[in-house]
Amino acid sequence: SQTIHQWPATLVQPVGSPLSLECTVEGTSNPNLYWYRQAAGRGLQLLFYSIGIGQISSEVPQNLSASRPQDRQFILSSKKLLLSDSGFYLCAWDRGRNTGELFFGEGSRLTVL
Amino acid sequence: QKEVEQNSGPLSVPEGAIASLNCTYSDRGSQSFFWYRQYSGKSPELIMSIYSNGDKEDGRFTAQLNKASQYVSLLIRDSQPSDSATYLCALHTGGFKTIFGAGTRLFVKA
Repeated sequence: SQTIHQWPATLVQPVGSPLSLECTVEGTSNPNLYWYRQAAGRGLQLLFYSIGIGQISSEVPQNLSASRPQDRQFILSSKKLLLSDSGFYLCAWDRGRNTGELFFGEGSRLTVL
Repeated sequence: QKEVEQNSGPLSVPEGAIASLNCTYSDRGSQSFFWYRQYSGKSPELIMSIYSNGDKEDGRFTAQLNKASQYVSLLIRDSQPSDSATYLCALHTGGFKTIFGAGTRLFVKA
């Protein structure tokens, strides 16, 4: 069966520090992968998606970046965090059929102080 | 106008009652519609998908879609305290973007 994992689960970072969140998918190949952010009381905002290794599309211009170094690995990064980067970061995958059905990892809760 | 609108709630229903959650959307080109359940502090979980007008039933859950009115709803029959969560309405327009509403909090009283 397919599973998706994210880490770290929780982190507290000072403003201006770097960030790296990692997501891996098991049990499937060539998935479409997504990074969403959920701010308190708001809907999920799509940040990046990837249809393959090295292929990244950005939905929202900001100080975050994403990379896909391997088929089943998706990384979200920042060189310098802002207070507004706080939120619940969710990695998701679909079955590659682009139906819109998403399956989420456990999430990474980031607090920037 | 937001792309997907939901009443934030909380919607409070007694155990055993029917909970009715509603969602409206603005993009008439939307093709697929989803309901996700999100427990506090957890990630969303897909519970229903609906693609054509009408009703779709899965156990205690029924999704209803009316594309002419740009309206989608979720009915939960025989509500249980374990159904207490935030329910996210989402839609897909055919690209790689699934758009989510802010969610409706449901509280089922024992």
